[in-house]
Amino acid sequence: DTAVSQTPKYLVTQMGNDKSIKCEQNLGHDTMYWYKQDSKKFLKIMFSYNNKELIINETVPNRFSPKSPDKAHLNLHINSLELGDSAVYFCASSQARGTEKLFFGSGTQLSVL
Amino acid sequence: GENVEQHPSTLSVQEGDSAVIKCTYSDSASNYFPWYKQELGKRPQLIIDIRSNVGEKKDQRIAVTLNKTAKHFSLHITETQPEDSAVYFCAAAAGGGRRALTFGSGTRLQVQP
Repeated sequence: DTAVSQTPKYLVTQMGNDKSIKCEQNLGHDTMYWYKQDSKKFLKIMFSYNNKELIINETVPNRFSPKSPDKAHLNLHINSLELGDSAVYFCASSQARGTEKLFFGSGTQLSVL
Repeated sequence: GENVEQHPSTLSVQEGDSAVIKCTYSDSASNYFPWYKQELGKRPQLIIDIRSNVGEKKDQRIAVTLNKTAKHFSLHITETQPEDSAVYFCAAAAGGGRRALTFGSGTRLQVQP
């Protein structure tokens, strides 16, 4: 029974398209995150939600819009995809903000052609 | 915000040797320092963490040390095995949920049999 699940696992699309990635956690955690891992493996926080409320939004282009319909779900919608958006996107959750263990999803490999 | 620097970027050791990875952080308010292991094509997973009220923590073959005065912390792996080969990330966060975990740039550890 997967704790943090995200779909799809792979996403290949053309520049300019709009795409979404979905994430769900069944751990009962209050906080969820989106991290971006680039080709050099650098992990960078994008967004954090606590109980459906946006608490962290790190200098991410406004083409990226997170949505949290409830505290178990955090989706990521990306408009007008660019080549530089190609990366692995990880969803994660934790019991509390910031200073607790992160549980990562399996990642979504996004390739923009 | 927090800035975490990690060294070395790559590390190759012989099976049975020890490996040490070092990180420094910039925000003196940071009080939580986890280490994550990411195997090829997999999600990052927590292997050990330390909070600022202790200077050292050990779990079998892995240990972490923290020097708050110097703002650096290190991961020590003893008796390395081929299955230790992976990318290791250090991270830091301050309490209160002001910021999510900030990750270092990663160390690719290769254990030669």
